[in-house]
Amino acid sequence: KQEVTQIPAALSVPEGENLVLNCSFTDSAIYNLQWFRQDPGKGLTSLLLIQSSQREQTSGRLNASLDKSSGRSTLYIAASQPGDSATYLCAVSGNYGQNFVFGPGTRLSVLP
Amino acid sequence: DVKVTQSSRYLVKRTGEKVFLECVQDMDHENMFWYRQDPGLGLRLIYFSYDVKMKEKGDIPEGYSVSREKKERFSLILESASTNQTSMYLCASSLVGRWATQSSYNEQFFGPGTRLTVL
Repeated sequence: KQEVTQIPAALSVPEGENLVLNCSFTDSAIYNLQWFRQDPGKGLTSLLLIQSSQREQTSGRLNASLDKSSGRSTLYIAASQPGDSATYLCAVSGNYGQNFVFGPGTRLSVLP
Repeated sequence: DVKVTQSSRYLVKRTGEKVFLECVQDMDHENMFWYRQDPGLGLRLIYFSYDVKMKEKGDIPEGYSVSREKKERFSLILESASTNQTSMYLCASSLVGRWATQSSYNEQFFGPGTRLTVL
């Protein structure tokens, strides 16, 4: 059964720092991987989707990489801002790509 | 932009009541999902549907049922609410799932969530 972990569970950084969030999964036979952000009490907002055949995706200050063979993905946030404060979740989908298994999330605080 | 809406942001019900949570998406997506999110347990899949009138159990279907009579609407039903069903409920949709030929089509889009409290 697929299991997804995220390290660290929480992270606090000063504004302007570049940072990396980590996601690991146990079964490398994934269809794709998606990164989300969640603000307190709200739903999830899709940030990036990486197909299983891709190595990375970029959107603005965000860059996500995927290494299927090692079961890892990283989300790189450049020049962090207080507005980036949120919980970041990664999720992987299996062979049919129908549903996702979610990690527990990393709670990020960017201090002004 | 994809829009997924949920009927209520906050809901308070009593034990034993029948509860309906509604989710609507406006992008003609084939797949729809219901999750619950609890502190320390993360997001867990309750049910999903890949077509009208089709449904499949997720990881925690006990105590829940679903209905999908129209493509845009997916309902979660708590037949007899219990206190352990107090949770945040999240609905999601994606364009193509089971028959996807391009993996980006199963990107999931979420609604704002319904915080359900069962007293």
